[in-house]
Amino acid sequence: QKEVEQNSGPLSVPEGAIASLNCTYSDRGSQSFFWYRQYSGKSPELIMSIYSNGDKEDGRFTAQLNKASQYVSLLIRDSQPSDSATYLCALPISGGYNKLIFGAGTRLAVHP
Amino acid sequence: NAGVTQTPKFQVLKTGQSMTLQCAQDMNHNSMYWYRQDPGMGLRLIYYSASEGTTDKGEVPNGYNVSRLNKREFSLRLESAAPSQTSVYFCASGRTGSPGELFFGEGSRLTVL
Repeated sequence: QKEVEQNSGPLSVPEGAIASLNCTYSDRGSQSFFWYRQYSGKSPELIMSIYSNGDKEDGRFTAQLNKASQYVSLLIRDSQPSDSATYLCALPISGGYNKLIFGAGTRLAVHP
Repeated sequence: NAGVTQTPKFQVLKTGQSMTLQCAQDMNHNSMYWYRQDPGMGLRLIYYSASEGTTDKGEVPNGYNVSRLNKREFSLRLESAAPSQTSVYFCASGRTGSPGELFFGEGSRLTVL
């Protein structure tokens, strides 16, 4: 059974700082990883995907993957109050790219 | 542009009652999913349908049944509701060739007394 672990938080950072969110996973064979953002009372939405070791940047977001250590991170630069949300790490269950297992999520609070 | 639509958005049931959650997507996606979300436990997959005419169990299928009525619609049925099924239920759809990208409905908040 695959497992995805995240620190539940809350992670509190000041506006303009870098927020670092971490996720570890148990299945060494996992190949693809996804970050979803979920605002309070809303549904999750995909914000980043990463497949290869190293960094992937998209605007203020950077996903980092280290398969040897089995962790994936999401960095948010110049954090804004609008980034306050729960961030969910996800990876595919065997049998299909879209059949995902999610971590419990890390709640991020960006304060002015 | 509706995306994924779930009904009802809120429901209160008594233990032992039955109900069906409805889900429809208008994006012509092949795969559809039902997840539940509980505090501190993230999203857990209940059932999924890889394509019209097929359904399969996810991580937590006990107490639920599903029907893929057609390509657009995927319903989740609770035959005899239990307090442990109090949760927020999300329906999602995904398209072939877009790995990991699920489109979620707004959620259905179910309380079982």
